[in-house]
Amino acid sequence: EDQVTQSPEALRLQEGESSSLNCSYTVSGLRGLFWYRQDPGKGPEFLFTLYSAGEEKEKERLKATLTKKESFLHITAPKPEDSATYLCAVRTSMGDYKLSFGAGTTVTVRA
Amino acid sequence: KAGVTQTPRYLIKTRGQQVTLSCSPISGHRSVSWYQQTPGQGLQFLFEYFSETQRNKGNFPGRFSGRQFSNSRSEMNVSTLELGDSALYLCASSVLRGDEQYFGPGTRLTVT
Repeated sequence: EDQVTQSPEALRLQEGESSSLNCSYTVSGLRGLFWYRQDPGKGPEFLFTLYSAGEEKEKERLKATLTKKESFLHITAPKPEDSATYLCAVRTSMGDYKLSFGAGTTVTVRA
Repeated sequence: KAGVTQTPRYLIKTRGQQVTLSCSPISGHRSVSWYQQTPGQGLQFLFEYFSETQRNKGNFPGRFSGRQFSNSRSEMNVSTLELGDSALYLCASSVLRGDEQYFGPGTRLTVT
């Protein structure tokens, strides 16, 4: 069965203090790794899709990278509005297009 | 462009009742997936519909069912509600199967 593990569970940062979130996966036939941001009481917001090892995507203060076993979401000089739960999900060749999600990392950025 | 809409946003039901949730995908999106989100289990896949056909189903009992209409709108139904069905039910749409999914705001279901 596909396994997606995110660490740490929670991360408290000072404004401007850069950090990274980890998403490790054990799957057969990765067909995409997805990063989402979720604010309390709202649905997940799509951020990035990564398909192959070595691929990188950037959006404002966020940068996602992918290796054969894990993905990192780097947050550079975070601001309080970056506070949210960040979810990663994988799609596999055996999973027939469904997304399998990790438990998420809750990031809190203090001013 | 309007996002995914879900109705109702909040719902309170009693054990044993049934409930129907509705999802309108982004215009032009043909694939709709449903997920259940709880604090203990996180986001779990329920089912996926494409071209009015269920294409994939998660590990949920038969009390959970759904359908998709010709305009891509989708409904999910839960019969004989149990306390453990209390959750945020999320609908996500994509243009085609395999594309990135965009989520709606969810329906918060509380079973008492």
